[in-house]
Amino acid sequence: EVQLVESGGGLVQPGRSLRLSCAASGFTFDDYAMHWVRQAPGKGLEWVSGISWNSGSIGYADSVKGRFTISRDNAKNSLYLQMNSLRAEDTALYYCAKVHAGGDLPDAFDIWGQGTMVTVSS
Amino acid sequence: SYVLTQPPSVSVAPGKTARITCGGNNIGSKSVHWYQQKPGQAPVLVIYYDSDRPSGIPERFSGSNSGNTATLTISRVEAGDEADYYCQVWDSSSVHVVFGGGTKLTVL
Repeated sequence: EVQLVESGGGLVQPGRSLRLSCAASGFTFDDYAMHWVRQAPGKGLEWVSGISWNSGSIGYADSVKGRFTISRDNAKNSLYLQMNSLRAEDTALYYCAKVHAGGDLPDAFDIWGQGTMVTVSS
Repeated sequence: SYVLTQPPSVSVAPGKTARITCGGNNIGSKSVHWYQQKPGQAPVLVIYYDSDRPSGIPERFSGSNSGNTATLTISRVEAGDEADYYCQVWDSSSVHVVFGGGTKLTVL
């Protein structure tokens, strides 16, 4: 079964850091680009970041550029999001998502995890 | 940056056809993907590359894309189709994924 399982969320104070992980199974992880998408409570979907199969192409939303870093370890079938200088507006459910086909960033997201909640509050 | 505009809500009676639009500048030149999200659940891909349907998605779901508007069409709407729907594209100029604001489909 193709599966993505996020972890690492929690309550964190403004200005602090958090690292999210996404464990992939059921498919050849290093064949596909991966993305992080977040959803603030009661709001819509917001793309956060994406990484190509070999980490050669990386993109970030303007709202997180310079604060968040995406990475992947293909040997461990894992995707990561290092979040620094967290703000209240980063509070959201963070999903990892697999692209439908190929290793490049532009594509539909055919598999989503269940998300991990990040709450930034003092 | 590229902007996708969706109506906040669409209402339709059971058995009728629902059309959810996604507007963007020359969106017809991009590939549009559509997601369904039910409360408390992760999004599910229902249409990709404008009009392709993933396995397991009913034929009642279809998509089109031309000019400045992409459309998700749901035929013979059922109560179980009630959900939020999001369109998505890739903006090559900014190297960003872009989502529309979402449309809440209500089945009357």
